[in-house]
Amino acid sequence: EDKVVQSPLSLVVHEGDTVTLNCSYEVTNFRSLLWYKQEKKAPTFLFMLTSSGIEKKSGRLSSILDKKELFSILNITATQTGDSAVYLCAVSPGNTGKLIFGQGTTLQVKP
Amino acid sequence: DARVTQTPRHKVTEMGQEVTMRCQPILGHNTVFWYRQTMMQGLELLAYFRNRAPLDDSGMPKDRFSAEMPDATLATLKIQPSEPRDSAVYFCASGLVLWTGEGSNQPQHFGDGTRLSIL
Repeated sequence: EDKVVQSPLSLVVHEGDTVTLNCSYEVTNFRSLLWYKQEKKAPTFLFMLTSSGIEKKSGRLSSILDKKELFSILNITATQTGDSAVYLCAVSPGNTGKLIFGQGTTLQVKP
Repeated sequence: DARVTQTPRHKVTEMGQEVTMRCQPILGHNTVFWYRQTMMQGLELLAYFRNRAPLDDSGMPKDRFSAEMPDATLATLKIQPSEPRDSAVYFCASGLVLWTGEGSNQPQHFGDGTRLSIL
């Protein structure tokens, strides 16, 4: 059965800290891994990773994929209160585009 | 910016009533997905359509749920009769999926969801 597991499930840090969120997966016919940020409403897209070892970066956020060990990490440096959200990892198996989501990591950044 | 639009944003109704949720996907996207989010189960895929044709609805209870896409600009999810356990946030997402060959699909974009409460 296809599965995505995120850790930790929740995390509380102070502004300025650096955090690392983890995502491991077991999926048939892996196509891509995606990270989304969810605040009050819709999950918003952060990164899509398809190749091992290539870091994707956007401002203070970065992510990398290891297809041999079947995991990805999402790093956030110099965290701000606006980074408080649920971070969702999802894997897309095969060619259908459908996503299998992990449980999410709830990040709270305190001032 | 192009967006996925869902209506209604909130729905409160009594058990046994019919509920219809609507979604307008992003123009040009060929695949539409319905997801349900609860605290206990997280985000689960219910059904999806490729070029308006239903492909897989194995994620939803067939006896009470139905999903259709009457035209390229409208996808609907119906629950009849509704039950308290259907209370959740229902998300529609659309994306451009290659379906064949190599290359990357475009990431899915989500609507703001319909928050459904069945009393």
